[in-house]
Amino acid sequence: EVQLVESGGGLLQPGGSLRLSCAASGFTFSTYDMHWVRQATGKGLEWVSAINTAGDPYYSGSVKGRFTISRENAKNSLYLQMDSLRAGDTAVYYCARGLASVMDVWGKGTTVTVSS
Amino acid sequence: DIQMTQSPSSLSASVGDVVTITCRASQSISSHLNWYQQKSGKAPKLLIYAASSFQSGVPSRFSGSGSGTDFTLTISSLQPEDFATYYCQQSYSTPLSFGGGTKVEIK
Repeated sequence: EVQLVESGGGLLQPGGSLRLSCAASGFTFSTYDMHWVRQATGKGLEWVSAINTAGDPYYSGSVKGRFTISRENAKNSLYLQMDSLRAGDTAVYYCARGLASVMDVWGKGTTVTVSS
Repeated sequence: DIQMTQSPSSLSASVGDVVTITCRASQSISSHLNWYQQKSGKAPKLLIYAASSFQSGVPSRFSGSGSGTDFTLTISSLQPEDFATYYCQQSYSTPLSFGGGTKVEIK
């Protein structure tokens, strides 16, 4: 079964850092692009970042310079290092498998709350 | 950056109705348009990619059309399990972007 499982969410103060992980199974992880998408409570979907099979990263303007995406193919894992966190980063963070920037498999999400 | 605008933002419909949701891109994206369904508290699910291609397992009552800047998602006969929020997404260029969503509610 193709599956993505996010972890690492939590509650932290503004200015803090957090690292999200996404464990992939059931498919050849190294052959797919991977994405992070977030959703604030009651709001729409917002694309955050992607990494292609060559390891090239892409970011939305709202997180560029603060978030770092990476992957470890040997561990079938995707990561999102989030620094200088703000209240506006509070959301459920989903990882998704991508093919030509179409997100065909999604995890259940992990919740990040940034609050003082 | 490409902006995606969906309309309406919400609608009320009855089981059996035909439902149409539109999505407009701020510039031409050819056919690089995808539709997702999200039920309350769940992750999004891919319905249609490349404007009109069905994802495996998606019922045939869902269909997509359009190219360039204007796109449509149609549900030919609304079923109880279709009440959800629908999002369009452009996959033409980064930063990728989603429409604001259309919530389909029971009338």
